[in-house]
Order: sequence, then C-alpha cells, then structure tokens
Amino acid sequence: DAGVTQSPTHLIKTRGQQVTLRCSPKSGHDTVSWYQQALGQGPQFIFQYYEEEERQRGNFPDRFSGHQFPNYSSELNVNALLLGDSALYLCASSFPSGGAFLADTQYFGPGTRLTVL
Amino acid sequence: GDSVTQMEGPVTLSEEAFLTINCTYTATGYPSLFWYVQYPGEGLQLLLKATKADDKGSNKGFEATYRKETTSFHLEKGSVQVSDSAVYFCALRQGSSNTGKLIFGQGTTLQVKP
Repeated sequence: DAGVTQSPTHLIKTRGQQVTLRCSPKSGHDTVSWYQQALGQGPQFIFQYYEEEERQRGNFPDRFSGHQFPNYSSELNVNALLLGDSALYLCASSFPSGGAFLADTQYFGPGTRLTVL
Repeated sequence: GDSVTQMEGPVTLSEEAFLTINCTYTATGYPSLFWYVQYPGEGLQLLLKATKADDKGSNKGFEATYRKETTSFHLEKGSVQVSDSAVYFCALRQGSSNTGKLIFGQGTTLQVKP
C-alpha cells in the first residue's frame, strides 16, 4: 500500500511565476492537508480539503489556493511567487478514526522542495 | 493563539545516553499532543501521541507524558542509538477530530554519535 505521494520532488521557479504541487493521499484517506515548512522551522498549516471543499485555512494569503479531486488527490497552487515562498511543502492525509494507534492521525508525504529565485 | 515551544537544538549525545527533549504548549481547552520525527530527506512520521491529561504515549522506546498542570509533553528515551538521529517535532491539535490542523514547534535536531 503506497503512502502519501507528492510531485514533483524539487522545483525551481522565479519571482512572479505560478506553481502547482500535487499530492495523492494514502489509500482510504479522504482528507488532505497542506503545510509549509521553511528551513529550520516547524511546518505551518496552509489549508485542508475534504469532499472537494476547503474546510479549514491557516494564516496564508489568497495567493495560496488548492483543489481536491473526486479521487481525493489534491493540488496546491501558489501565484505571484515571492522569495519567501521558498520552502518544503508537505501534504498530509488523514486516516479514518477507528481506535487503532495510527487512526486519528495524519500521514505525511516526503514533500516538494520549492526554490524561488 | 495556540503555540508549541521546544528546546533549542542541536542536541548531541553519545550512543546509549538518556534523551530528554522539552516541549511546552499554550492552548485553550484540552488539545491532543504529538511527537513527530523527520529523518533526512523524508516526511514527518508520527512517533507517539497522547489525547488527554496524564496519558503516556510510547513507541520504539520513546515516551512522553501529557502534563496539563505544567502544559508540557517532554520526549524521553532511556538509551539512544545512532539511528535515532533526526529532527523531532512536538505538535498539538485542538479537538478530537483527526482532521484538525496540527500546530508544530520549531523542531529539535538530535545527533547521536557512536
């Protein structure tokens, strides 16, 4: 069973460009969350998608948008890139609650490293 | 707002030494608490969790106890190995839903030397 997968692994863009990052959740997961992890920092919550709608949003500008598809995969879009958007972008999917240790938690993908020049 | 504070790193230990990584939190109500580990080049993996006061989470020799009176969730391991070298993140989540957002600390790097 594949875990959470993300693509691409690395990406280099220039200021002002737009970027799309992709995430496939773990099998059976229906909720996808996105986090931004700047170098040397902990991840910060961007937003969460469930049933193809944004359910929660962190303190990020409207330049950050997303989408969830009927197969639960998700995209993160960032417009008008700034140098400060350089970070590791992590996708996490949620396991249905059921009482097991790994239920009620979020599984993380390996991330996409975005560099803005 | 809610926040998590971890001890500054890096923490450098010799193999078989005792490990403590301090974590304190600020939150309203009764959040769930987590420790995640990030190995080089990989995503975050859940290490352990606790969902209510006085709960002890444990996994792979690591332990942490949810202390509401001191708002702490310190990570401990009795004997570290070189393979434990990684970045450790303490996190909290409000509510009981598995879909609540996680709020992370800044991470603590652990280096274990043979």
